[in-house]
Amino acid sequence: GESVGLHLPTLSVQEGDNSIINCAYSNSASDYFIWYKQESGKGPQFIIDIRSNMDKRQGQRVTVLLNKTVKHLSLQIAATQPGDSAVYFCAEDSGNTPLVFGKGTRLSVIA
Amino acid sequence: DTAVSQTPKYLVTQMGNDKSIKCEQNLGHDTMYWYKQDSKKFLKIMFSYNNKELIINETVPNRFSPKSPDKAHLNLHINSLELGDSAVYFCASSQDILQGTYGYTFGSGTRLTVV
Repeated sequence: GESVGLHLPTLSVQEGDNSIINCAYSNSASDYFIWYKQESGKGPQFIIDIRSNMDKRQGQRVTVLLNKTVKHLSLQIAATQPGDSAVYFCAEDSGNTPLVFGKGTRLSVIA
Repeated sequence: DTAVSQTPKYLVTQMGNDKSIKCEQNLGHDTMYWYKQDSKKFLKIMFSYNNKELIINETVPNRFSPKSPDKAHLNLHINSLELGDSAVYFCASSQDILQGTYGYTFGSGTRLTVV
């Protein structure tokens, strides 16, 4: 069946540049979306979330954009730092069912 | 204090053995989960428990048997381990899944290697 997100690609960015990680979700009934960061040897860690009644939400150095028309999410990281190197997952929630995760994007920051 | 803790962190065992992974959360959450992460980093839900009751069982072989003695604990027992069971298993918890949508808190994972 369809799954959230893309095949696991790698995004390489220079330290200090902005990063944009994209995700396509499949369930139009999903109403809550979360970005997670997973560092090597650790579990996924919550970064930022957004509900379907919003199209943008900002956190500290991170912004999530939601385009429900094309079922697309993006995570923008400003001034990317070496500590941002990790695998990033989007996840969707359609109600009383567990989160469905995308396949992840590996972000590699070049110092 | 670790919010969601799993033990052991690493587990190496032979095919055919039976093993258990333990998970505890001290967040007061009502819902707990087991996810399996394969070698390509794909995270797939296995089970979900709400207040000790099984609510989600994705097509997981019946060699996998979760047990929740109370809402703060969700253990995973695996019988007759197979090579394909090798993966990283993550426990997670959230507020009551039946009352709305919330983010999850994950444990640090258990890397299971079956040889």
